[in-house]
Order: sequence, then C-alpha cells, then structure tokens
Amino acid sequence: NAGVMQNPRHLVRRRGQEARLRCSPMKGHSHVYWYRQLPEEGLKFMVYLQKENIIDESGMPKERFSAEFPKEGPSILRIQQVVRGDSAAYFCASSPLPGAYNEQFFGPGTRLTVL
Amino acid sequence: EDQVTQSPEALRLQEGESSSLNCSYTVSGLRGLFWYRQDPGKGPEFLFTLYSAGEEKEKERLKATLTKKESFLHITAPKPEDSATYLCAVQETGRRALTFGSGTRLQVQP
Repeated sequence: NAGVMQNPRHLVRRRGQEARLRCSPMKGHSHVYWYRQLPEEGLKFMVYLQKENIIDESGMPKERFSAEFPKEGPSILRIQQVVRGDSAAYFCASSPLPGAYNEQFFGPGTRLTVL
Repeated sequence: EDQVTQSPEALRLQEGESSSLNCSYTVSGLRGLFWYRQDPGKGPEFLFTLYSAGEEKEKERLKATLTKKESFLHITAPKPEDSATYLCAVQETGRRALTFGSGTRLQVQP
C-alpha cells in the first residue's frame, strides 16, 4: 500500500499528557501537511513541512503544538499538555515536489480523545 | 481571508436522481480548486483539481466545473455507493495550504 500512513489510528490521553501523532507520506512525496477536523467542523490547515523545514505554520496554535519532519522517519505532530478541546481527528496529507499540479493525498487520520 | 461556502449542507436523493452540489469561494488569487470525497471515519479521498474558469473534469458519474466565483459537482444517476460527504477546498496563489468548506452530506437511497 503506497498511500499516506498515519498512526496510531486512535489515541486516548488524559488532560495534561502528551500526544504524538505520526505520518508517513506516500512514496516519492516530500511535502507533508497537517489538518485538524474538530467535531461538527470542517478541516482546518495547521502546518506545512518539507524534510527538516517548516514552510508554513500559520494554522498552528501558538502554544503546546509543534511539528517536525526529520531527514529520516515520519513526520510528527506533538501536542503537549493536552486539553479536552484538543479532541479531534488529525489528518496528514502529502504531495510531491511543488509544480504545476498540487494535489494533496490524505491519510486515514488519527482520532484523538482527551479524557 | 479565503472563504469557501458549500450548499446544500445535506442532500438526499433517490438512486438515479441527478443533482448538483455548489461551492462558492472568495480568494485573492486562485491557484486551484479541489474536490474530495470523505466517508465516515476515513480521510478525504481526492477527486478533482480545477485550475481555471471554464475547466471541466469528469470521473464516472461525477463532473466538476469551475467559474470565477463558484464550482459545481454534478452527480449523474447516482448510486447508493455515492453516499458520502463531498468537500470543496481552494488553494491561494503562493500558498500550499487548502481552505476547506464545511461539506455537503449526500445520501442516495435505493
């Protein structure tokens, strides 16, 4: 399966704990995007990364959230000291090198529940 | 600020009953308009990208069209397996982020 992979698919955390969400892009893709889908709301952009670089983090909350895409390994979205309002589905998407075509292909998502 | 509005919020069709979904948008400069399909509990599945007014794309029973202010997703003779939420998104010139609408929940009854 050459699709975008995310793990875990479901994650339960208690308030104050840390959540780490992982994303492996499609084979050959070097750009990763993170989106959040809150209950009963649409998908919202969070951050756009290339290998070892954050390109656009205009949608990231100012505190507790961080993202990385190291030279080796998956992209990580990290949420520190989670609160109930962080409960949502987090989707990762990937695309090939930017060019004339900009399709983003989404993974199955990680559903985070904060107790 | 980019805005994307989809209508209707929900649509119930009988199998074979054709219809259209609307996506109106406001963006300073359009790089591309994207249609996705999302099934419950799954990630969005890419359908189409449209880049310029007048452009049309087709895939099976779906056809997407684009004007300077809106896009339509036409569904011809839908089947129950077409039931899903259809999402529209715009990409502004110079950016990679997608701005999504709230979606249209389509239910096709046999």
